[in-house]
Amino acid sequence: DVKVTQSSRYLVKRTGEKVFLECVQDMDHENMFWYRQDPGLGLRLIYFSYDVKMKEKGDIPEGYSVSREKKERFSLILESASTNQTSMYLCASSLSNWQYDFGPGTRLTVT
Amino acid sequence: GEDVEQSLFLSVREGDSSVINCTYTDSSSTYLYWYKQEPGAGLQLLTYIFSNMDMKQDQRLTVLLNKKDKHLSLRIADTQTGDSAIYFCAENSGGYNKLIFGAGTRLAVHP
Repeated sequence: DVKVTQSSRYLVKRTGEKVFLECVQDMDHENMFWYRQDPGLGLRLIYFSYDVKMKEKGDIPEGYSVSREKKERFSLILESASTNQTSMYLCASSLSNWQYDFGPGTRLTVT
Repeated sequence: GEDVEQSLFLSVREGDSSVINCTYTDSSSTYLYWYKQEPGAGLQLLTYIFSNMDMKQDQRLTVLLNKKDKHLSLRIADTQTGDSAIYFCAENSGGYNKLIFGAGTRLAVHP
């Protein structure tokens, strides 16, 4: 019953490295989202995509970019990782306007 | 812009009722949600309510929606230690149905 998968559960990277976080959904969903979760701040939307090659900035896009070359895959890219990007990253997808499926999350540590 | 606010902490005695409150700003939201996150676990959809409803009940959970005041609450009856978790309020917002989250309320249940 695999729905939304993320490439890694835990990731440790060094400052300045380029980091790719991958998200894949197998439900043919149009919309995909990237959030970061920090204690006391909840989940904040980084970027989302409503179709292949289409992307929109969320509330905190600075320092991030995204790629959606295929419908099932939505990648989050940290061009030059910094320590303030240490966080839990959650991917979600949705077909309708009410049902969202979340991945298990990737805990990224930047040292 | 869109904003969802909720208090950060709630402590209740086992067997009592818990009430977690949330306010939101986007009056055009069609659905409002409650998610639960247990320590070390992913996001679990607890319940949701359509914006034209005032109340929804599901076993021990009661959701109340006051659309005029943009206020949402989650009541958990007979709270148990297994209910200890972070509870997130969320609204779907905007033309692309972005999911906007509150900061989360940490519920602590003590004997």
